[in-house]
Amino acid sequence: AQSVAQPEDQVNVAEGNPLTVKCTYSVSGNPYLFWYVQYPNRGLQFLLKYITGDNLVKGSYGFEAEFNKSQTSFHLKKPSALVSDSALYFCAVRGLGGTSYGKLTFGQGTILTVHP
Amino acid sequence: KAGVTQTPRYLIKTRGQQVTLSCSPISGHRSVSWYQQTPGQGLQFLFEYFSETQRNKGNFPGRFSGRQFSNSRSEMNVSTLELGDSALYLCASSSTGSVETQYFGPGTRLLVL
Repeated sequence: AQSVAQPEDQVNVAEGNPLTVKCTYSVSGNPYLFWYVQYPNRGLQFLLKYITGDNLVKGSYGFEAEFNKSQTSFHLKKPSALVSDSALYFCAVRGLGGTSYGKLTFGQGTILTVHP
Repeated sequence: KAGVTQTPRYLIKTRGQQVTLSCSPISGHRSVSWYQQTPGQGLQFLFEYFSETQRNKGNFPGRFSGRQFSNSRSEMNVSTLELGDSALYLCASSSTGSVETQYFGPGTRLLVL
């Protein structure tokens, strides 16, 4: 079975400072990892994904994530936070095989608040 | 391309009733997945359809069902509604349901009274 943990329910940063939202995963075989963001009363917006290749993945709105196989982590980062980045962030993993068709397993989410 | 659309956006039902939610995927996408989002349980996978066939199912009771039409549009149905079914129901589409990105609709907010 696959699982995702986001150890921080909430992350607070000042505008202009770097931000990190943490994610660790557990899956059999090679992981397929995703980050999504959710604004109030909205669906999920795709930010970036890791399938294979470079461990540093660049995504939308200046976000990037670093895949670390030995630590089974996929932390989301941004060099300079904006107030408009304040939202709920989800890490997700997809496993292999037929039991994973169309199925993403999500972490519980991290509320990011960027203070002016 | 138009994004994933879901109708209706909001629903209020009473216990014991049934409800049908609709999802239109991005044009060309053949896989549609459904998720339930609640404050207590987070985002949980309901089921996935591809080419009118259910390929995967989450751990939900049989009251939750779905189907997919030949144009890839999908519906999910919840019968005999319970208070605990109050949630945001999200659908997502992708090309094949494999490792491509899933794109989510805005969701249907269901309130069961």
